[in-house]
Amino acid sequence: DAGVIQSPRHEVTEMGQEVTLRCKPISGHNSLFWYRQTMMRGLELLIYFNNNVPIDDSGMPEDRFSAKMPNASFSTLKIQPSEPRDSAVYFCATRGGGEKLFFGSGTQLSVL
Amino acid sequence: QKEVEQNSGPLSVPEGAIASLNCTYSDRGSQSFFWYRQYSGKSPELIMFIYSNGDKEDGRFTAQLNKASQYVSLLIRDSQPSDSATYLCAVNMRGGSYIPTFGRGTSLIVHP
Repeated sequence: DAGVIQSPRHEVTEMGQEVTLRCKPISGHNSLFWYRQTMMRGLELLIYFNNNVPIDDSGMPEDRFSAKMPNASFSTLKIQPSEPRDSAVYFCATRGGGEKLFFGSGTQLSVL
Repeated sequence: QKEVEQNSGPLSVPEGAIASLNCTYSDRGSQSFFWYRQYSGKSPELIMFIYSNGDKEDGRFTAQLNKASQYVSLLIRDSQPSDSATYLCAVNMRGGSYIPTFGRGTSLIVHP
């Protein structure tokens, strides 16, 4: 298996623009997590899906952020409009039957 | 308030020494505990997990758990320069969803 696949690897955009991050989970993994990592705050959970259903979105900063999982093989995290404080590394992670998380390579987002 | 606390470091040890990384957590009902290693510019990867009080050994790594003190640690014996990375403590808090909460991580530097 190719592991968790995220795209793009890097994204540079201007304040106010829409940003869409993508994640393809490992086949058969029914839990998907979106995390954001910054130096100041570390790795923070944004949203958790189980069987494509959002279970916990309490970490989503505000209405500018939205996440979807239309099927078991694809998820998106959208920021609209983006702001400089959104600059961070965004990780998608998935989990199968155990408790181990498998992380994608992350998306480095820079909002100018 | 962060519920999983780690000293950010850096912790600097000479090659061949024992590195000791520590983590405290706030939820006394937490059930499972994990150590992830993250190399610079890479994604976290699981290296150890522990569920019961006491020690768990895997090669050069030992995880130690003390639920009464709400304390979990990771010992790395015979430290190598390749162990230089950030070590993230993660705790699955009370509740049925097993959503991991991460500490900010401790940076470890092993110098030759």
